[in-house]
Amino acid sequence: AQSVTQLGSHVSVSEGALVLLRCNYSSSVPPYLFWYVQYPNQGLQLLLKYTSAATLVKGINGFEAEFKKSETSFHLTKPSAHMSDAAEYFCAVSDAGGTSYGKLTFGQGTILTVHP
Amino acid sequence: DSGVTQTPKHLITATGQRVTLRCSPRSGDLSVYWYQQSLDQGLQFLIQYYNGEERAKGNILERFSAQQFPDLHSELNLSSLELGDSALYFCASSVLAQTEAFFGQGTRLTVV
Repeated sequence: AQSVTQLGSHVSVSEGALVLLRCNYSSSVPPYLFWYVQYPNQGLQLLLKYTSAATLVKGINGFEAEFKKSETSFHLTKPSAHMSDAAEYFCAVSDAGGTSYGKLTFGQGTILTVHP
Repeated sequence: DSGVTQTPKHLITATGQRVTLRCSPRSGDLSVYWYQQSLDQGLQFLIQYYNGEERAKGNILERFSAQQFPDLHSELNLSSLELGDSALYFCASSVLAQTEAFFGQGTRLTVV
């Protein structure tokens, strides 16, 4: 069975600072990994996905994530935070080794706050 | 806008009642997923349908059921509601099972 652990339920950064949101996974099969963002009162929006191609994945809004098998990690980064990045971020792993991308196991989420 | 439409956006009902949540997937998407988001449980996968047939089941209570109709829209039925069923219910859809899912804006259910 898959599981996801997001380290830090709250992360606070200054505008222009590096954003680093941590995600570690556990999977008995090669994982397919995703980062989603949820703005207040909205649904989840896909930021990026890893599906066993390049280990460094670029997503929307300047975000990227690196898959590190040896560390079972898939941390999300952005070089320079904007106020508009304030939201809740979810790391997720797909079940069944990628046969069903939408059947996801989510982490508990990390709320990102960006200070002026 | 993801293209996934959920109705209603908000629902308030009493304990013991039954409600139906509706989801219209993106045009052409065959797969529909239902998720529950609550403060204590986080985001939990409930059930998946693919082209009208149940494909996978997660932590879905026996009081809950779902179906996907020939026009591919889906409904999640919640019965004998309890206070603990209060949550945000999301629907997501994908073209195939092997493509990423797009989420609707959710239905916020409040049981009083």
